[in-house]
Amino acid sequence: NAGVTQTPKFRILKIGQSMTLQCTQDMNHNYMYWYRQDPGMGLKLIYYSVGAGITDKGEVPNGYNVSRSTTEDFPLRLELAAPSQTSVYFCASQSPPEAATNEKLFFGSGTQLSVL
Amino acid sequence: LAKTTQPISMDSYEGQEVNITCSHNNIATNDYITWYQQFPSQGPRFIIQGYKTKVTNEVASLFIPADRKSSTLSLPRVSLSDTAVYYCLVGSNTGGFKTIFGAGTRLFVKA
Repeated sequence: NAGVTQTPKFRILKIGQSMTLQCTQDMNHNYMYWYRQDPGMGLKLIYYSVGAGITDKGEVPNGYNVSRSTTEDFPLRLELAAPSQTSVYFCASQSPPEAATNEKLFFGSGTQLSVL
Repeated sequence: LAKTTQPISMDSYEGQEVNITCSHNNIATNDYITWYQQFPSQGPRFIIQGYKTKVTNEVASLFIPADRKSSTLSLPRVSLSDTAVYYCLVGSNTGGFKTIFGAGTRLFVKA
């Protein structure tokens, strides 16, 4: 059971470049999230999804886009990379509300992104 | 969503018990209290969750008073490896709704 898998682990982008951060989970969780964490700071919610075909903005969505075509995958797209997007990005999924482990978030290992 | 307030940082020594308190004055009737632990360069991981009174697992205890306006995460006999950031979250039982993390509490365990 792999849990939540993020790729790549590290990436360096030039200003203006685009890239997609991949996230996939094999736990059949409906809810998925993207967070960013700047050095020494807490996590900020970028986008979240409550199921395939449904996405919504979090606290800091500007400069990002997401899609959720399947239950398993929740990619995060950066269209025009800027230095302010240098951060560590975490994807998470959440068990369904009727499960005993309600509200428990499972996180991936993160993607460290630098925009130079 | 109920707002939470935690101390920014705490120091402790190996072998001591550490208590981290989280205030959540606006907690709703259906809200659960959940704590996460984050080590450097890793994603947060679930520690413990509770609704009222006391919950204990192999890692920690969670104390919740009757009014539920605060909660205390208790780590018994900490070791150097417990140095991490601890986050308190309050959310409803429906799950999947814009789960927001606060700044967390940075715990430093010294030898």
